[in-house]
Amino acid sequence: DAGVTQSPTHLIKTRGQQVTLRCSPKSGHDTVSWYQQALGQGPQFIFQYYEEEERQRGNFPDRFSGHQFPNYSSELNVNALLLGDSALYLCASSFASGTPSYEQYFGPGTRLTVT
Amino acid sequence: AQSVTQLDSHVSVSEGTPVLLRCNYSSSYSPSLFWYVQHPNKGLQLLLKYTSAATLVKGINGFEAEFKKSETSFHLTKPSAHMSDAAEYFCVVSDRGNTGFQKLVFGTGTRLLVSP
Repeated sequence: DAGVTQSPTHLIKTRGQQVTLRCSPKSGHDTVSWYQQALGQGPQFIFQYYEEEERQRGNFPDRFSGHQFPNYSSELNVNALLLGDSALYLCASSFASGTPSYEQYFGPGTRLTVT
Repeated sequence: AQSVTQLDSHVSVSEGTPVLLRCNYSSSYSPSLFWYVQHPNKGLQLLLKYTSAATLVKGINGFEAEFKKSETSFHLTKPSAHMSDAAEYFCVVSDRGNTGFQKLVFGTGTRLLVSP
């Protein structure tokens, strides 16, 4: 049973460029959440997708956008990259209809470096 | 909004001695609480979760945590540290928000150092 997978593993971009990160959820999961983890900090919630719609969003600018496909996989897009966008981007999957104590399973992350 | 505070940024122990990582939470309703571990250059792994049933929660690798409502705490413990326990530990609370969907709110993390 494959867990959450993310691609690419590492990415280097220049300020002002655009980037797309990809995530495939754990088998059977239908909800994908994205988190940003800056160096030395805890992950911060970006947004969450269910049934191909953004269901909730954290305090991130509109430069951060996403998409969920019919097969439940997801993309995170960041436009007009800033140096401060350098971070580990984590994808997590879960069941939307889970109990209040439901679990999110995390992928290994994509390390984005903006120069 | 829900939040967690991890009281120590770094904790150092010797191998074979007990581990205590402290976490306080703030919640307007009965919370769902988790501890995650992150080894260097690895993803996040769930250690244990509080499900509003038993207040003493047992997790993987000998870790356990006790939910204390009166103290709003959810401290992580292990009787005997192993070198492989050296990692970053995150206390996490689940926030249901207005949409009914849940997001995870992470603490700032505690780095556990284990010396021989």
